[in-house]
Amino acid sequence: GAVVSQHPSRVICKSGTSVKIECRSLDFQATTMFWYRQFPKQSLMLMATSNEGSKATYEQGVEKDKFLINHASLTLSTLTVTSAHPEDSSFYICSARTGTGGGSPLHFGNGTRLTVT
Amino acid sequence: DAKTTQPPSMDCAEGRAANLPCNHSTISGNEYVYWYRQIHSQGPQYIIHGLKNNETNEMASLIITEDRKSSTLILPHATLRDTAVYYCIVRGASRNTDKLIFGTGTRLQVFP
Repeated sequence: GAVVSQHPSRVICKSGTSVKIECRSLDFQATTMFWYRQFPKQSLMLMATSNEGSKATYEQGVEKDKFLINHASLTLSTLTVTSAHPEDSSFYICSARTGTGGGSPLHFGNGTRLTVT
Repeated sequence: DAKTTQPPSMDCAEGRAANLPCNHSTISGNEYVYWYRQIHSQGPQYIIHGLKNNETNEMASLIITEDRKSSTLILPHATLRDTAVYYCIVRGASRNTDKLIFGTGTRLQVFP
Protein backbone atom coordinates (compact mmCIF):
# COMPACT_ATOMS: atom_id res chain seq x y z
CA GLY A 1 0.00 0.00 0.00
CA ALA A 2 0.82 3.73 0.14
CA VAL A 3 1.95 4.12 -3.44
CA VAL A 4 2.83 7.52 -4.84
CA SER A 5 3.16 7.83 -8.60
CA GLN A 6 4.90 10.61 -10.51
CA HIS A 7 4.60 11.41 -14.17
CA PRO A 8 6.58 11.84 -16.30
CA SER A 9 9.70 10.11 -15.06
CA ARG A 10 11.86 12.07 -17.45
CA VAL A 11 11.26 15.19 -19.47
CA ILE A 12 13.39 17.33 -21.73
CA CYS A 13 12.21 20.80 -22.64
CA LYS A 14 13.53 23.88 -24.31
CA SER A 15 14.47 26.97 -22.38
CA GLY A 16 11.53 29.30 -21.92
CA THR A 17 8.83 26.63 -22.02
CA SER A 18 6.77 25.32 -19.10
CA VAL A 19 6.65 21.79 -17.79
CA LYS A 20 3.99 20.14 -15.64
CA ILE A 21 4.77 17.27 -13.29
CA GLU A 22 2.00 15.18 -11.76
CA CYS A 23 2.03 13.46 -8.39
CA ARG A 24 -0.71 10.98 -7.56
CA SER A 25 -1.49 8.98 -4.46
CA LEU A 26 -2.78 5.72 -5.89
CA ASP A 27 -4.31 3.92 -2.94
CA PHE A 28 -4.91 6.59 -0.33
CA GLN A 29 -6.13 10.13 -0.01
CA ALA A 30 -3.45 12.72 0.60
CA THR A 31 -4.57 16.00 2.08
CA THR A 32 -0.95 17.15 2.03
CA MET A 33 1.79 16.55 -0.47
CA PHE A 34 5.35 17.83 -0.41
CA TRP A 35 7.57 18.78 -3.33
CA TYR A 36 11.35 18.42 -3.27
CA ARG A 37 14.15 18.89 -5.73
CA GLN A 38 17.56 17.34 -5.77
CA PHE A 39 20.65 18.47 -7.65
CA PRO A 40 23.37 15.94 -8.53
CA LYS A 41 25.28 14.65 -5.53
CA GLN A 42 23.20 16.75 -3.16
CA SER A 43 20.46 15.96 -0.70
CA LEU A 44 16.76 16.58 -1.20
CA MET A 45 15.63 20.15 -0.66
CA LEU A 46 12.05 20.84 0.33
CA MET A 47 10.43 23.32 -2.03
CA ALA A 48 6.84 23.56 -0.88
CA THR A 49 3.96 21.99 0.99
CA SER A 50 0.85 21.41 -1.06
CA ASN A 51 -2.49 21.33 0.74
CA GLU A 52 -5.66 20.12 -0.95
CA GLY A 53 -8.01 22.97 -1.71
CA SER A 54 -5.72 25.75 -0.55
CA LYS A 55 -2.61 27.61 -1.60
CA ALA A 56 0.74 25.94 -1.31
CA THR A 57 3.26 27.03 1.29
CA TYR A 58 6.69 27.67 -0.18
CA GLU A 59 10.03 27.35 1.58
CA GLN A 60 12.25 30.38 1.84
CA GLY A 61 14.03 31.14 -1.40
CA VAL A 62 11.64 29.19 -3.64
CA GLU A 63 9.88 31.38 -6.21
CA LYS A 64 6.17 30.70 -6.03
CA ASP A 65 5.53 32.31 -9.43
CA LYS A 66 8.07 30.08 -11.07
CA PHE A 67 7.03 26.82 -9.41
CA LEU A 68 3.26 26.71 -9.56
CA ILE A 69 1.64 24.09 -7.38
CA ASN A 70 -1.95 22.97 -7.66
CA HIS A 71 -3.58 20.42 -5.35
CA ALA A 72 -7.11 20.24 -6.66
CA SER A 73 -8.02 16.79 -5.38
CA LEU A 74 -7.11 14.42 -2.58
CA THR A 75 -5.11 12.24 -4.94
CA LEU A 76 -3.41 14.68 -7.29
CA SER A 77 -0.94 17.52 -6.95
CA THR A 78 0.86 19.15 -9.86
CA LEU A 79 4.05 21.17 -10.05
CA THR A 80 4.50 23.43 -13.07
CA VAL A 81 7.93 24.83 -13.76
CA THR A 82 7.22 28.01 -15.71
CA SER A 83 9.62 29.56 -18.19
CA ALA A 84 12.16 26.87 -17.47
CA HIS A 85 15.87 27.62 -17.75
CA PRO A 86 18.88 25.28 -17.73
CA GLU A 87 19.47 25.99 -14.04
CA ASP A 88 16.05 24.46 -13.32
CA SER A 89 17.34 21.12 -14.55
CA SER A 90 17.02 18.85 -11.53
CA PHE A 91 15.37 15.79 -10.04
CA TYR A 92 11.92 16.71 -8.72
CA ILE A 93 10.31 14.40 -6.16
CA CYS A 94 6.92 14.50 -4.49
CA SER A 95 5.74 12.83 -1.33
CA ALA A 96 2.47 12.37 0.47
CA ARG A 97 1.40 11.30 3.91
CA THR A 98 -1.23 8.70 4.61
CA GLY A 99 -2.40 10.18 7.90
CA THR A 100 -1.91 13.33 9.88
CA GLY A 101 1.00 14.33 12.04
CA GLY A 102 4.50 13.08 12.53
CA GLY A 103 3.57 9.50 13.30
CA SER A 104 2.41 8.76 9.76
CA PRO A 105 5.20 8.07 7.27
CA LEU A 106 5.58 10.10 4.12
CA HIS A 107 5.79 8.06 0.96
CA PHE A 108 7.69 9.26 -2.05
CA GLY A 109 7.25 9.06 -5.78
CA ASN A 110 10.10 7.91 -7.98
CA GLY A 111 10.90 11.38 -9.13
CA THR A 112 10.95 13.31 -12.38
CA ARG A 113 14.24 14.17 -14.03
CA LEU A 114 13.91 17.50 -15.79
CA THR A 115 16.47 18.58 -18.35
CA VAL A 116 16.16 22.07 -19.81
CA THR A 117 18.15 22.65 -22.98
CA ASP B 1 18.06 22.85 8.96
CA ALA B 2 18.64 19.16 9.51
CA LYS B 3 18.74 18.25 13.18
CA THR B 4 20.81 15.12 12.77
CA THR B 5 24.45 14.17 12.31
CA GLN B 6 25.47 11.07 10.40
CA PRO B 7 28.81 9.74 9.16
CA PRO B 8 29.19 10.52 5.46
CA SER B 9 29.97 6.96 4.44
CA MET B 10 30.20 3.38 5.69
CA ASP B 11 31.09 -0.01 4.28
CA CYS B 12 29.57 -3.35 5.13
CA ALA B 13 30.22 -6.89 3.97
CA GLU B 14 27.35 -8.72 2.37
CA GLY B 15 25.54 -10.91 4.86
CA ARG B 16 26.75 -8.97 7.86
CA ALA B 17 24.75 -6.55 9.94
CA ALA B 18 24.97 -2.89 8.97
CA ASN B 19 24.74 -0.53 11.93
CA LEU B 20 24.16 3.07 10.91
CA PRO B 21 24.48 5.65 13.70
CA CYS B 22 22.70 8.98 13.99
CA ASN B 23 23.06 11.78 16.50
CA HIS B 24 20.09 14.00 17.27
CA SER B 25 21.05 15.66 20.53
CA THR B 26 18.53 18.51 20.22
CA ILE B 27 15.49 16.30 19.65
CA SER B 28 12.33 17.38 21.43
CA GLY B 29 10.11 15.08 23.43
CA ASN B 30 7.41 14.83 20.79
CA GLU B 31 9.65 14.49 17.75
CA TYR B 32 10.03 11.23 15.87
CA VAL B 33 13.16 9.66 14.45
CA TYR B 34 12.67 8.54 10.86
CA TRP B 35 14.92 6.59 8.54
CA TYR B 36 14.71 6.67 4.76
CA ARG B 37 17.06 5.45 2.08
CA GLN B 38 17.61 6.53 -1.48
CA ILE B 39 18.96 4.28 -4.14
CA HIS B 40 20.52 6.11 -7.04
CA SER B 41 18.03 8.04 -9.20
CA GLN B 42 14.98 6.88 -7.25
CA GLY B 43 12.72 8.51 -4.71
CA PRO B 44 13.44 7.94 -1.02
CA GLN B 45 12.10 4.73 0.49
CA TYR B 46 10.63 4.68 3.98
CA ILE B 47 12.39 2.23 6.28
CA ILE B 48 11.26 2.71 9.86
CA HIS B 49 10.46 5.30 12.49
CA GLY B 50 10.19 5.52 16.25
CA LEU B 51 9.44 7.88 19.10
CA LYS B 52 10.91 6.39 22.28
CA ASN B 53 10.84 2.64 22.03
CA ASN B 54 12.96 0.43 19.83
CA GLU B 55 11.19 -0.66 16.69
CA THR B 56 11.54 -3.56 14.28
CA ASN B 57 9.95 -4.33 10.95
CA GLU B 58 10.68 -6.56 8.00
CA MET B 59 13.38 -4.23 6.74
CA ALA B 60 15.30 -3.11 9.79
CA SER B 61 15.51 -2.42 13.50
CA LEU B 62 15.72 0.99 15.11
CA ILE B 63 17.45 1.35 18.44
CA ILE B 64 16.89 4.67 20.23
CA THR B 65 18.95 5.50 23.29
CA GLU B 66 17.15 6.15 26.53
CA ASP B 67 17.95 9.87 26.43
CA ARG B 68 16.82 9.89 22.76
CA LYS B 69 19.90 11.83 21.71
CA SER B 70 21.05 9.17 19.29
CA SER B 71 19.82 6.14 17.43
CA THR B 72 21.09 3.28 15.31
CA LEU B 73 19.51 1.72 12.28
CA ILE B 74 20.32 -1.96 11.95
CA LEU B 75 20.05 -3.90 8.71
CA PRO B 76 20.48 -7.43 10.07
CA HIS B 77 21.80 -9.12 6.93
CA ALA B 78 22.97 -6.58 4.41
CA THR B 79 22.73 -7.40 0.71
CA LEU B 80 24.19 -5.66 -2.31
CA ARG B 81 20.77 -4.13 -2.94
CA ASP B 82 21.03 -2.29 0.37
CA THR B 83 23.72 -0.04 -1.12
CA ALA B 84 22.14 3.42 -0.86
CA VAL B 85 22.22 6.74 0.94
CA TYR B 86 20.53 6.43 4.32
CA TYR B 87 18.89 9.46 5.88
CA CYS B 88 18.10 9.86 9.56
CA ILE B 89 15.51 12.61 10.06
CA VAL B 90 13.91 14.14 13.11
CA ARG B 91 10.30 14.98 12.41
CA GLY B 92 7.76 16.99 14.36
CA ALA B 93 4.52 15.48 15.58
CA SER B 94 1.99 18.12 14.65
CA ARG B 95 0.57 18.89 11.26
CA ASN B 96 2.53 22.16 11.12
CA THR B 97 5.89 20.65 12.06
CA ASP B 98 5.90 17.31 10.28
CA LYS B 99 7.91 18.29 7.21
CA LEU B 100 10.81 15.98 6.41
CA ILE B 101 14.04 17.97 6.19
CA PHE B 102 16.83 15.89 4.71
CA GLY B 103 20.46 16.18 5.75
CA THR B 104 23.38 14.73 3.87
CA GLY B 105 22.89 11.13 5.03
CA THR B 106 25.25 8.16 5.14
CA ARG B 107 26.32 6.49 1.94
CA LEU B 108 26.35 2.76 2.70
CA GLN B 109 28.35 0.56 0.37
CA VAL B 110 27.72 -3.16 0.73
CA PHE B 111 30.51 -5.22 -0.81
CA PRO B 112 30.61 -8.90 -1.75
